[in-house]
Amino acid sequence: QQPVQSPQAVILREGEDAVINCSSSKALYSVHWYRQKHGEAPVFLMILLKGGEQKGHDKISASFNEKKQQSSLYLTASQLSYSGTYFCGTRANAGGTSYGKLTFGQGTILTVHP
Amino acid sequence: DVKVTQSSRYLVKRTGEKVFLECVQDMDHENMFWYRQDPGLGLRLIYFSYDVKMKEKGDIPEGYSVSREKKERFSLILESASTNQTSMYLCASSSLGGVSYEQYFGPGTRLTVT
Repeated sequence: QQPVQSPQAVILREGEDAVINCSSSKALYSVHWYRQKHGEAPVFLMILLKGGEQKGHDKISASFNEKKQQSSLYLTASQLSYSGTYFCGTRANAGGTSYGKLTFGQGTILTVHP
Repeated sequence: DVKVTQSSRYLVKRTGEKVFLECVQDMDHENMFWYRQDPGLGLRLIYFSYDVKMKEKGDIPEGYSVSREKKERFSLILESASTNQTSMYLCASSSLGGVSYEQYFGPGTRLTVT
């Protein structure tokens, strides 16, 4: 079952902050975040492993609450280059033949205006 | 520079035709994936392969089959194309090593079935 992302879309002005949430009904081993700019392939941003860690990538950071099976992506002081569709991908198992497989959410469209 | 290439960016086929979508990666990755991307539905996994000649069904395998005869090449086959298979198809690959299992995506093939 796909994780659920919210909101579905968000519009910002440069410099504003945004939070994108990803919720799963299953217990998770890891959460992966990707960004897809318009007309381009999705690109990996970061991974969060079971353990409640928080990671950062430039001014983009994320947290993972494994008890709630939720992850949040934080975009601070947004830039025009942040525009795109953000996907979370979840992995339930640490091992087995399917351990490279991710289940992606439906995506959140982020638009940053000047 | 790592690369995943797909045989066509745009493809138009007629209902009932057999369609082959090809994907090649040059990173010696063990895992390869086929997704379809539809607005509001995100990335949905069709099939996954973790080794040559090995495959696993994803979340939406109906109407599709795959072939992996060589490590670098993963083909998606639509045995008898239907209009509801009109979509963007993305191929990805990832390594079995490391922690992140970062997926590298190809540019996508936009398939229209008329």
